[in-house]
Amino acid sequence: SQQGEEDPQALSIQEGENATMNCSYKTSINNLQWYRQNSGRGLVHLILIRSNEREKHSGRLRVTLDTSKKSSSLLITASRAADTASYFCATDTGFQKLVFGTGTRLLVSP
Amino acid sequence: DVKVTQSSRYLVKRTGEKVFLECVQDMDHENMFWYRQDPGLGLRLIYFSYDVKMKEKGDIPEGYSVSREKKERFSLILESASTNQTSMYLCATRGGGDTGELFFGEGSRLTVL
Repeated sequence: SQQGEEDPQALSIQEGENATMNCSYKTSINNLQWYRQNSGRGLVHLILIRSNEREKHSGRLRVTLDTSKKSSSLLITASRAADTASYFCATDTGFQKLVFGTGTRLLVSP
Repeated sequence: DVKVTQSSRYLVKRTGEKVFLECVQDMDHENMFWYRQDPGLGLRLIYFSYDVKMKEKGDIPEGYSVSREKKERFSLILESASTNQTSMYLCATRGGGDTGELFFGEGSRLTVL
């Protein structure tokens, strides 16, 4: 079952611009997490936001969570070419497993 | 740092062959997972294990089995590989409790001819 759906599927920006990715989900969650995946590699955890939190920051990352709309957004500020990757949201509904969305492919051009 | 090691980065097998994908972690995590990743479908959970010798089906267990004889090792088995099992397979671990991140291996890209 696909819990999270990211939007857009692909995003192309210039270095220095901000990148915003959105995630919608269907059921109640304990927390929502964002992961990054470089091409052909495993996923790396970026940030976790709990269901009772509305916003969280980590370096150039800002995550928001709106549980009433069942949606989250990931903002990467001042993007760099090294940010080029796929980004996935994952929802934790409290049964040990995470359910991932289909991802957003981000391309940051120099 | 947590290290999750998948035995093979690339494999090519023939239809009908038995395939073993192994995953080893060094952080004493209780929970281990096998996902497959396909373009446009994201990551889909095949099986997970929350303890030695324990296993739970994920969303797409058909055609797969798993083994967890030791805490640090979680194996995915394709009893009779088929072409539709050509995919990227990702192993992940997670500590106990109901919060926390997943730690992923580098992935095993399997091609079934």
